Amino acid sequence: SQQGEEDPQALSIQEGENATMNCSYKTSINNLQWYRQNSGRGLVHLILIRSNEREKHSGRLRVTLDTSKKSSSLLITASRAADTASYFCATAVLGGANSKLTFGKGITLSVRP
Amino acid sequence: AAGVIQSPRHLIKEKRETATLKCYPIPRHDTVYWYQQGPGQDPQFLISFYEKMQSDKGSIPDRFSAQQFSDYHSELNMSSLELGDSALYFCASSFPHVETQYFGPGTRLLVL
Repeated sequence: SQQGEEDPQALSIQEGENATMNCSYKTSINNLQWYRQNSGRGLVHLILIRSNEREKHSGRLRVTLDTSKKSSSLLITASRAADTASYFCATAVLGGANSKLTFGKGITLSVRP
Repeated sequence: AAGVIQSPRHLIKEKRETATLKCYPIPRHDTVYWYQQGPGQDPQFLISFYEKMQSDKGSIPDRFSAQQFSDYHSELNMSSLELGDSALYFCASSFPHVETQYFGPGTRLLVL
């Protein structure tokens, strides 16, 4: 079973549009992270938000966290064709060392040029 | 900047054979994690090491074992391979007491 469940499972948008991906989880967490994976490649860390934070920005990325609803959203603004990839949310229960990640099912984002 | 190195990148084995996957963490990272990602699946945590000691264990079959060596590199040993072991195996590393994990490119294992 997965800790994080992403919504939607697949998203297709036009270049320049914004993409919003949602994730829900089940247990209390220390932090939630978003990763990106190009087809069959490695996972690239995008952004981390801690349980005591509500919103965080990094470039064109904006992530929100609602611990009362156990949900997070990742917004990619002004999308580019190069943003086409799978996106995963992952939760960590413990902070510091030994924080294993529990991944949700990925969202496949397709950005049409 | 140096990244996590995994070898081999691709591996083909027959059923019941053994395989050894290697992971070289980013310099000064003392924590190593192993994840398995089946086709179309999300990554699943297998096992982690901190300062050369096993720190956590996930859904790792008894046929698999792993260790972290004095130079902090780690090896995942897989025996009696089954068709279902075909997957992408990722290693990740992190700095001490930092939550962000940096992933390697993965080893794609195909069991025939």
